[in-house]
Amino acid sequence: AQSVTQLGSHVSVSEGALVLLRCNYSSSVPPYLFWYVQYPNQGLQLLLKYTTGATLVKGINGFEAEFKKSETSFHLTKPSAHMSDAAEYFCAVSAPNAGNMLTFGGGTRLMVKP
Amino acid sequence: GAGVSQTPSNKVTEKGKYVELRCDPISGHTALYWYRQSLGQGPEFLIYFQGTGAADDSGLPNDRFFAVRPEGSVSTLKIQRTERGDSAVYLCASSITSDNEQFFGPGTRLTVL
Repeated sequence: AQSVTQLGSHVSVSEGALVLLRCNYSSSVPPYLFWYVQYPNQGLQLLLKYTTGATLVKGINGFEAEFKKSETSFHLTKPSAHMSDAAEYFCAVSAPNAGNMLTFGGGTRLMVKP
Repeated sequence: GAGVSQTPSNKVTEKGKYVELRCDPISGHTALYWYRQSLGQGPEFLIYFQGTGAADDSGLPNDRFFAVRPEGSVSTLKIQRTERGDSAVYLCASSITSDNEQFFGPGTRLTVL
């Protein structure tokens, strides 16, 4: 069984400030980990993913995330927020070689203040 | 088109009616997934197809929900005797194989009055 917890349903940052969105997971097998972004009235878009190898993963739009097995975390960061980053962000986990169905967290709405 | 498409984009129905939601995956993608996203929540897995067969339907909430993919491409999610609690956005995703990135469609917003 797998689960994902995203701490903070809403996060507000100023433009240019650091973005930190938290994600903790539980999984009975070594997981694949994902961050998706959802803009209003649009489909989910993959930001980045961790499967194996390097634990620091870089994605699109300047985002990155680090897989920390000891902390069962996969927090998403971006050094400097842009207004265009305002969206809903979802962390997800899947079990490879078992269909790869995604288990999502509840989402974090990121608001960027000018 | 190049992406996953879903029709209709919006569906309003009355309690007790039957609805069908369609998903056209990216051409050549063998794996297809249905998820349901209720307001203010993350998507929840419903069913996964590998080719024509449902490889895992453990997320279907009850026997009013059924999905098919008869030719291994287009899939239809069918909901019988709809209830107000079925109101949600139904998302479809496809991937080349089950261990590759899933590409999501824009979803069908179902409203049951």
